[in-house]
Amino acid sequence: SQQGEEDPQALSIQEGENATMNCSYKTSINNLQWYRQNSGRGLVHLILIRSNEREKHSGRLRVTLDTSKKSSSLLITASRAADTASYFCATAAPPYSSASKIIFGSGTRLSIRP
Amino acid sequence: SQTIHQWPATLVQPVGSPLSLECTVEGTSNPNLYWYRQAAGRGLQLLFYSVGIGQISSEVPQNLSASRPQDRQFILSSKKLLLSDSGFYLCAWSAPDRGNSPLHFGNGTRLTVT
Repeated sequence: SQQGEEDPQALSIQEGENATMNCSYKTSINNLQWYRQNSGRGLVHLILIRSNEREKHSGRLRVTLDTSKKSSSLLITASRAADTASYFCATAAPPYSSASKIIFGSGTRLSIRP
Repeated sequence: SQTIHQWPATLVQPVGSPLSLECTVEGTSNPNLYWYRQAAGRGLQLLFYSVGIGQISSEVPQNLSASRPQDRQFILSSKKLLLSDSGFYLCAWSAPDRGNSPLHFGNGTRLTVT
């Protein structure tokens, strides 16, 4: 079963606009991670936010985490054509053993129109 | 620096034939290793994960098996492929850090069972 679910499933915006993607999860977490996948390729890690953090920035990326609502959002500011990709959130499913099961959501397909 | 190799990139196999996909990691020791499968346009389904040589955890009852004969080698196998085994198979590694380290993915193998 999915631990995280992204919303929306697909998003199309104009280049230069901001893109916001949301992720909801079901159980308690140690951290939440966001990944990006270009078509036909492996996933690339973008950012990890720990359960005791509320907001984290990395370049044009801003991630928020609300553990009371069990939700996270990924904001990409000033979008570029190269940001076109699928974006996934992922969490470690308890119990948190040395090799925690990392469960991914179904992803948001982001398209940036030139 | 650490690298992950996954091969082959694409594979077309007839129903009933065996399968062997290999994944190797370089530049790190005792990594956690993962196999995921991704259906077209969908999220990632965790198939197997491993904390060490010979230690495999299976997530989903299926026609597949995994083995870890060496510390940095992870193999996905099937004795007889089914049509439903078609998909994009991704190998990943992480540091053994209770889910607090990011996953690093290979470029994937696209398997088509005909």
